[in-house]
Amino acid sequence: DAGVIQSPRHEVTEMGQEVTLRCKPISGHNSLFWYRQTMMRGLELLIYFNNNVPIDDSGMPEDRFSAKMPNASFSTLKIQPSEPRDSAVYFCASSFAKDNRPQHFGDGTRLSIL
Amino acid sequence: GESVGLHLPTLSVQEGDNSIINCAYSNSASDYFIWYKQESGKGPQFIIDIRSNMDKRQGQRVTVLLNKTVKHLSLQIAATQPGDSAVYFCAEDDQAGTALIFGKGTTLSVSS
Repeated sequence: DAGVIQSPRHEVTEMGQEVTLRCKPISGHNSLFWYRQTMMRGLELLIYFNNNVPIDDSGMPEDRFSAKMPNASFSTLKIQPSEPRDSAVYFCASSFAKDNRPQHFGDGTRLSIL
Repeated sequence: GESVGLHLPTLSVQEGDNSIINCAYSNSASDYFIWYKQESGKGPQFIIDIRSNMDKRQGQRVTVLLNKTVKHLSLQIAATQPGDSAVYFCAEDDQAGTALIFGKGTTLSVSS
């Protein structure tokens, strides 16, 4: 079975540019999560969706970050404009359970903002 | 506030030994706990989970123990292999019961 698929795997861009990260959840899963991982702060939840609807975006650091889930099989996380402190590994996870457990992760997008 | 932490950031063991990775949590209302394994360049991989109505659960070579009295969670890996080398995270559900909060992780190094 295909797991959570993220693209690109690596992204290097200059500050000020728009960055779009993509995620395809596991087919049939109804919850999708975006996380950011850094050495200093570990894994942080940014936002999650249930049935394509954003439920909690309190982890989104700033208005520069936005996430969408136009359908059950696709989600994007966008940073505009990007800044060097946004450099991190961004993970997408999905789950299918009444209480969103357990979550299955993609292999992440390593983002570097120069 | 809520927090999930680990007692040791690194653990080094010999191949064939049993490994124990510990985790302390602060939210006594949490009712679900999960362990993930993360290898370099990959996403966290689900290992095993446990609900608060249990104190022990076993999988293949792994056992999770939950002590709600002292809010402590542990992962035991039997006959540790070099392929077990990774960062291990514990996580708990948050007060809303719909999202996970992760600890900082313990790096397990297995030498042959």
